[in-house]
Order: sequence, then structure tokens, then C-alpha cells
Amino acid sequence: GAVVSQHPSWVICKSGTSVKIECRSLDFQATTMFWYRQFPKQSLMLMATSNEGSKATYEQGVEKDKFLINHASLTLSTLTVTSAHPEDSSFYICSARDPGQGNSHYGYTFGSGTRLTVV
Amino acid sequence: LAKTTQPISMDSYEGQEVNITCSHNNIATNDYITWYQQFPSQGPRFIIQGYKTKVTNEVASLFIPADRKSSTLSLPRVSLSDTAVYYCLVRFSGGYNKLIFGAGTRLAVHP
Repeated sequence: GAVVSQHPSWVICKSGTSVKIECRSLDFQATTMFWYRQFPKQSLMLMATSNEGSKATYEQGVEKDKFLINHASLTLSTLTVTSAHPEDSSFYICSARDPGQGNSHYGYTFGSGTRLTVV
Repeated sequence: LAKTTQPISMDSYEGQEVNITCSHNNIATNDYITWYQQFPSQGPRFIIQGYKTKVTNEVASLFIPADRKSSTLSLPRVSLSDTAVYYCLVRFSGGYNKLIFGAGTRLAVHP
């Protein structure tokens, strides 16, 4: 089945630095990927939709200059948390849709997530 | 996007059948109903999808009444490893639409 690889699985960074998280579709090409953030004991919150070769679409309330998304190829999308602060500490999850699965939900595959801790 | 409502938490014991009901009163004609499972510190995993009536796969069954305003995920004979958060989602069937997650149901299975 479709596999989405997310890297790193966890990262600790100092306040003020930037962190890049990668999301790769391993066995399919994904023109669209999604980025979510999840705080402890809460649900996934959609941050943005990443479109290959074009600008990402951000959800209301998500700072595009804070969370930079680049989808330069059909298999890779990156999320960069710029000037990270402790309140950015969260679990970040990406998802990609396999166009080969048609309209089925089988086509939405999630990465294993990245635990970001800003100290 | 249709909003979903499900119980915040449920408790069960090993070997029991668990039914989690989700309400989606504003579901549209072209919407599908899908359920995901999430373990701590992992991404969600697809469980089952349906449009109407009953769908069954190797891990669960999904019951959808004729009016489609609710759906019930049924997990037969749960084990400790089924302890997780279960999310009910409603999604338009066409295109590359984003998945919006509700609060989910935190299921705890006890020995």
C-alpha cells in the first residue's frame, strides 16, 4: 500500500531557530499533501494544503510566514517552522493522497508524525 | 463540510464488542463516511469507509442508516491493542479534498 515517510520523528531545538520537517510519498506521486498539528489530548488541526509546484493554501489563523511549506517535487513536501518558540512545540503530521486510489479514502495516507520540542 | 459529533470517551473490556456512534446531521449527498484510528504519537490509520447500509472488513463494521445522519463503527472482540482514539470524518467524494478531524472518541480497553 501507499507509504508516507516523515522525518525526523522527533526534534528538539532552541527557541529562535528554524526546524524543517520532511514528508515523502515513497511509492506514489502526490500532487497534494496536507500538514496537520496536534497538541496533547487534542485532535488533528489542519494547517495547510501543499500543492506541488504552487503556493500552499493555509487554513485561517495559520501564519504562512511562520510555517513555510515547500512542495518542490511530486514526492516531497517540507514544513519549516521558522523562529520557533516553545508554543510551537507540538506533534506535526503530514498526509498525502495517492491519485491512483481514485476517490476512495484508501488514498489518504498519513506519516508517522514529528514531535517538535522547542526549549 | 459536515460537522461530526461523537462521544469523547468510552471504556470497554477485552473480548467485548464496542460500538461508537457518530452524528453527522448535515451530511451531503456526495459525502462519504470514514473512520480513522490513532495511537499515541502516530499518524492516523484508515479503518473503514462507507456511503450507506453496512460495510465490513477484516477489522471493523460500519453501519449507516438510511437517512445517513449517523453512523456506527463496530469493533468486534476488542483487545488491549485497540486502545486508541477513533475519528469519524465526512468527506466529499470528489477531488483532493482535505480531511477535517473532529474531536474523536478515546477508547480505553481494560483487561
